[in-house]
Amino acid sequence: GIQVEQSPPDLILQEGANSTLRCNFSDSVNNLQWFHQNPWGQLINLFYIPSGTKQNGRLSATTVATERYSLLYISSSQTTDSGVYFCAVNLGSARQLTFGSGTQLTVLP
Amino acid sequence: DGGITQSPKYLFRKEGQNVTLSCEQNLNHDAMYWYRQDPGQGLRLIYYSQIVNDFQKGDIAEGYSVSREKKESFPLTVTSAQKNPTAFYLCASRRGRQDSTEAFFGQGTRLTVV
Repeated sequence: GIQVEQSPPDLILQEGANSTLRCNFSDSVNNLQWFHQNPWGQLINLFYIPSGTKQNGRLSATTVATERYSLLYISSSQTTDSGVYFCAVNLGSARQLTFGSGTQLTVLP
Repeated sequence: DGGITQSPKYLFRKEGQNVTLSCEQNLNHDAMYWYRQDPGQGLRLIYYSQIVNDFQKGDIAEGYSVSREKKESFPLTVTSAQKNPTAFYLCASRRGRQDSTEAFFGQGTRLTVV
């Protein structure tokens, strides 16, 4: 079955709006990361957050490991926030990061 | 600057040819990984290595080979046995052999079979 599930798959916002992206996972995790993939394909590290809450400017993230989900909040979105956001986790005893299918975010001017 | 360098950025291959993608890191990371990304999809693991001279298959290793002769380098060879090699390939590394450390990615190589 699906091990890492992200929602929504697509999101279109007007500049200045806020959004919440969700990542559900099917097992315990010892690593969870959020990435932003820019139009050139590069994966930019946003958060390393296996548990708790972190903030970095307009972005913040919360992981509730006991309930197996993580949330990425984007406030006052800008056109440069557009791209694909990936959640990736180490599930159970697995050695590698398992990626979700991503959320495609489009911020309109 | 410390980081992960992948080369080339774009690569074109004729059918039946083997090609090698380079991944070098100067972060002194122990573990290195190769992922494949197809359009509109997430990343899938091809191979990973947690120590020099040792590596393990990932979920989609068929048609690929790797080596880890130096800590800094983890080249990926796409062989002619890979039936659908056109994709975006990303290399990653992380400190230590534990799975709980943060992973970092290179800028990727776009491979196209012509």
